[in-house]
Amino acid sequence: EVQLLESGGGLVQPGGSLRLSCAASGFTFANYAMSWVRQAPGKGLEWVATVTGPGSTTYYIQSVKGRFTISRDNSKTTLYLQMNSLRAEDTALYYCGKTYRSIDLYDSWGQGTLVTVSS
Amino acid sequence: QSVLTQPPSVSAAAGQKVTVSCSGSSSNIGNNYVSWYQQFPGTAPKLLIYDNNKRPSGIPDRFSGSKSGTSATLDIAGLQTGDEADYYCGTWDSSLIAVVFGGGTKLTVL
Repeated sequence: EVQLLESGGGLVQPGGSLRLSCAASGFTFANYAMSWVRQAPGKGLEWVATVTGPGSTTYYIQSVKGRFTISRDNSKTTLYLQMNSLRAEDTALYYCGKTYRSIDLYDSWGQGTLVTVSS
Repeated sequence: QSVLTQPPSVSAAAGQKVTVSCSGSSSNIGNNYVSWYQQFPGTAPKLLIYDNNKRPSGIPDRFSGSKSGTSATLDIAGLQTGDEADYYCGTWDSSLIAVVFGGGTKLTVL
């Protein structure tokens, strides 16, 4: 059974940093691209970033380019999202998602970790 | 505003059929597969439809999807109160080089 467990969320001041983690199990982690998708309170889904299986290629939504870095450690089957220069508009529940066949298709999701950016 | 356009809400009586629309452009829906997700309050999204019209194992055939041109639709037949949830369409946008989602549609079963 696929399991994705996010952690690392919390309250941070504007301009601060956080590192999210997503511990994966139940599948061959290195074979699948992984993504972060966020959902602001009461809002819809917003894709944030994707990293390919080997970790060699990354994709980001324009609004986080230069501030967020997605990475992975295949030996630890863990996905990361380093978030710097956080803004109030980054406040959201952050889900990690396992892709299926293409990077825009997610067949498994974690339960999410909440990031709140506020002074 | 989202790249893909969905109606904020739809409703229909139990036992009836409802259609959720998702409108995009040639850079997204027009040239890429569409997927649909179901999300209950306080829970993670769940894949409902992929490749425009395929159902993952375990998804009832009451749920069906289709695509025509730059629009896609999700049909839910034989509505049940347990189908009340938010539904999102998603696809790849070749111009934005990004995954895009619709704004979501809240389904109410009357």
